Amino acid sequence: ELKVEQNPLFLSMQEGKNYTIYCNYSTTSDRLYWYRQDPGKSLESLFVLLSNGAVKQEGRLMASLDTKARLSTLHITAAVHDLSATYFCAVAHSFNFGNEKLTFGTGTRLTIIP
Amino acid sequence: EAQVTQNPRYLITVTGKKLTVTCSQNMNHEYMSWYRQDPGLGLRQIYYSMNVEVTDKGDVPEGYKVSRKEKRNFPLILESPSPNQTSLYFCASSSPRRGKNIQYFGAGTRLSVL
Repeated sequence: ELKVEQNPLFLSMQEGKNYTIYCNYSTTSDRLYWYRQDPGKSLESLFVLLSNGAVKQEGRLMASLDTKARLSTLHITAAVHDLSATYFCAVAHSFNFGNEKLTFGTGTRLTIIP
Repeated sequence: EAQVTQNPRYLITVTGKKLTVTCSQNMNHEYMSWYRQDPGLGLRQIYYSMNVEVTDKGDVPEGYKVSRKEKRNFPLILESPSPNQTSLYFCASSSPRRGKNIQYFGAGTRLSVL
């Protein structure tokens, strides 16, 4: 059974600081997704990482995937208040890209303090 | 406007009374899926579908049915709802292209089973 763990579960950080959210998973996979959820809202897709060593960046967020270590990171650079949200990773464990069984981490609630 | 529409947004029902939550997308996406979100458990995938008449079980399919008779619609059916199905439900659709698979989520359906 695939298990996905995110660390930390809660994170408060000051504006302007850098930090990293970790997503560890227990079985082999080479596809991993990151999502954002604002309080009381739906989910928004951020990144899909498709192979070992994949790196994607959008604004102050950068995600990477190390399939050998079964680890993905979401790095936040110079945090701003707008990035306050809950971030989820999800690991795909089926063969077809797009038609995927996804197992999610429990999420990291990020609060950026002015 | 690209949309995934879920109905109803809120529903209170009683144990055993069959219900259907509808999901419709206007983007001609092949892939659709259903998730439930519970405090402390994060998101869990219920079912997913790669096209008309093709559906697969996610991590928590017990007590749910789906159908995909038309490409745009993917209803979630609870034949005999129980209190442990009280949750927040999300539908999503996507169409992978050129190494990207952006999932579009509906606004969510909050279900209470008494």
